[in-house]
Amino acid sequence: KQEVTQIPAALSVPEGENLVLNCSFTDSAIYNLQWFRQDPGKGLTSLLLIQSSQREQTSGRLNASLDKSSGRSTLYIAASQPGDSATYLCAAKTGFQKLVFGTGTRLLVSP
Amino acid sequence: GAGVSQSPSNKVTEKGKDVELRCDPISGHTALYWYRQSLGQGLEFLIYFQGNSAPDKSGLPSDRFSAERTGGSVSTLTIQRTQQEDSAVYLCASSAGQMLGEQYFGPGTRLTVT
Repeated sequence: KQEVTQIPAALSVPEGENLVLNCSFTDSAIYNLQWFRQDPGKGLTSLLLIQSSQREQTSGRLNASLDKSSGRSTLYIAASQPGDSATYLCAAKTGFQKLVFGTGTRLLVSP
Repeated sequence: GAGVSQSPSNKVTEKGKDVELRCDPISGHTALYWYRQSLGQGLEFLIYFQGNSAPDKSGLPSDRFSAERTGGSVSTLTIQRTQQEDSAVYLCASSAGQMLGEQYFGPGTRLTVT
């Protein structure tokens, strides 16, 4: 059974710092891995999708990497801003297309 | 274009009552998913539809939970005889249907069972 873990559970940084969020999964037989952000009381916004054949994806200040063999993905946020404050979730797609979610990292960026 | 929509956004019901939650996927998306987000359990998969059929119902927690999809579009999640442990945010997502496709989520329905 696929299990997804995210470290750290919470992170507080001053504005402008570069930061890394970690995601690990127990079963490397995934189709892809998706990173989301969730603002309080809101749904999930998709940030990046990395296919199993890819090593990384970039969108603006965000870069996500995937290492299937070690069961890890990282989300790198460059030059963090207060508007980046949210909960970040990673999710691995397994058979029948369902996503298995991590427990999330709650990020607070202070001005 | 329009994203995934869900209704109602909030629902408060008494224990023992039945509730229906609705999801309108992105137009043309053949795959539809229901997830549940609760404080103690995080975000968990409930059911997956491809067209009107549900090849994976493995996440439905009990036979009080059922879902259907009609016309390859709108889906309804029904919870019968609600219990307090059913209180959660119910999220719906859709995708274009390819195995490698991205899932897009709706804003969710917050269900509170009193």
